[in-house]
Amino acid sequence: EPEVTQTPSHQVTQMGQEVILRCVPISNHLYFYWYRQILGQKVEFLVSFYNNEISEKSEIFDDQFSVERPDGSNFTLKIRSTKLEDSAMYFCASSYRGPGSGANVLTFGAGSRLTVL
Amino acid sequence: DQQVKQNSPSLSVQEGRISILNCDYTNSMFDYFLWYKKYPAEGPTFLISISSIKDKNEDGRFTVFLNKSAKHLSLHIVPSQPGDSAVYFCAASGSSSSNTGKLIFGQGTTLQVKP
Repeated sequence: EPEVTQTPSHQVTQMGQEVILRCVPISNHLYFYWYRQILGQKVEFLVSFYNNEISEKSEIFDDQFSVERPDGSNFTLKIRSTKLEDSAMYFCASSYRGPGSGANVLTFGAGSRLTVL
Repeated sequence: DQQVKQNSPSLSVQEGRISILNCDYTNSMFDYFLWYKKYPAEGPTFLISISSIKDKNEDGRFTVFLNKSAKHLSLHIVPSQPGDSAVYFCAASGSSSSNTGKLIFGQGTTLQVKP
């Protein structure tokens, strides 16, 4: 069964450092998403990406965050200068049908745990 | 901004009995509701969905019921099995005119099925 793969599974970084989290979505999917889950809290939407541009972003997704699809297969989330409160599990997700075509079923990766010290 | 709420953080049931997980929402513009299951160290995996124009959808042991007037949905698992022990997330989509397909998640309910 096709899956979304994420690397690294765990990254530890110092506050103020840049972090890049990588994702390989399912190959025929067109819509891409990043979510995060702070320990013990709910899964929060960060950003959606379609047709090589951001289609929506949340209040959390400030200027310190950016996303890119550099080569048509990888989908990356960059945090420019990490803060302690960025410590969380980051999930990448992708979908094929997108909005307006039935339920938009997102397939999630296993997540990348980011620990900021 | 808690548009989707799961008020029970945990639920424990005996194997073979019914598990009922509840979810409330505030935005009447949601068009689809989805349930996801999450095991530790894994991402959420899709279980079942329901359109806002339906009141029931069934898939094997899993049934989702939607009560639009009460803005409430529930997931029934029957019979419950120990392998169903996981965190269950309710999610909703389609709340805005700029519908990008994002899902808004509840806080999750941890289900424990005891053998």
